[in-house]
Amino acid sequence: KQEVTQIPAALSVPEGENLVLNCSFTDSAIYNLQWFRQDPGKGLTSLLLIQSSQREQTSGRLNASLDKSSGRSTLYIAASQPGDSATYLCAVARTLGRLYFGRGTQLTVWP
Amino acid sequence: NAGVMQNPRHLVRRRGQEARLRCSPMKGHSHVYWYRQLPEEGLKFMVYLQKENIIDESGMPKERFSAEFPKEGPSILRIQQVVRGDSAAYFCASSETRGMYNEQFFGPGTRLTVL
Repeated sequence: KQEVTQIPAALSVPEGENLVLNCSFTDSAIYNLQWFRQDPGKGLTSLLLIQSSQREQTSGRLNASLDKSSGRSTLYIAASQPGDSATYLCAVARTLGRLYFGRGTQLTVWP
Repeated sequence: NAGVMQNPRHLVRRRGQEARLRCSPMKGHSHVYWYRQLPEEGLKFMVYLQKENIIDESGMPKERFSAEFPKEGPSILRIQQVVRGDSAAYFCASSETRGMYNEQFFGPGTRLTVL
């Protein structure tokens, strides 16, 4: 069974800081890994998807890396802004189909 | 291109009633997934469907819950005889398999409250 853990559970930082959010998974036989953002009371917004054969993906100020052998992924957020405040979710797929989610990291960026 | 649409956004039911949640996938997507987010818990997979087929229902309770994705129209998640423990946010996602990326795009969710 795939277990996904995210650390830290919550993070509060001043604007401008560079951040690292961590995700670990127990079964390294994954198909892909996806990072999402969830705002309070809203749905999930897909941020980045990394295929199992890839090591990283970048989109704007976001960079996600994947180390399949150690069962880890990190999401790096550069120059954080108050608008980045949200819960960030990591999810892995073992095959086409279901995603296994972590509990998320609740990020607060204050001005 | 409209995103994944879910309705209703909020649904209130009394114990014992039925709840029907609808999901229209993104245009061109033929795969639909339902997830449930209980208060203070993470998202849990429920069921994976393609048009007229259930591919994986391993996360769905055996009783009272059912899902369908007909040839025409939205996918429906149906909960019969709701109980207070069914109160949660239910999210639908869709994907297309061209390129085999399996990137899932989520709807805004339906928040079910059982009184």
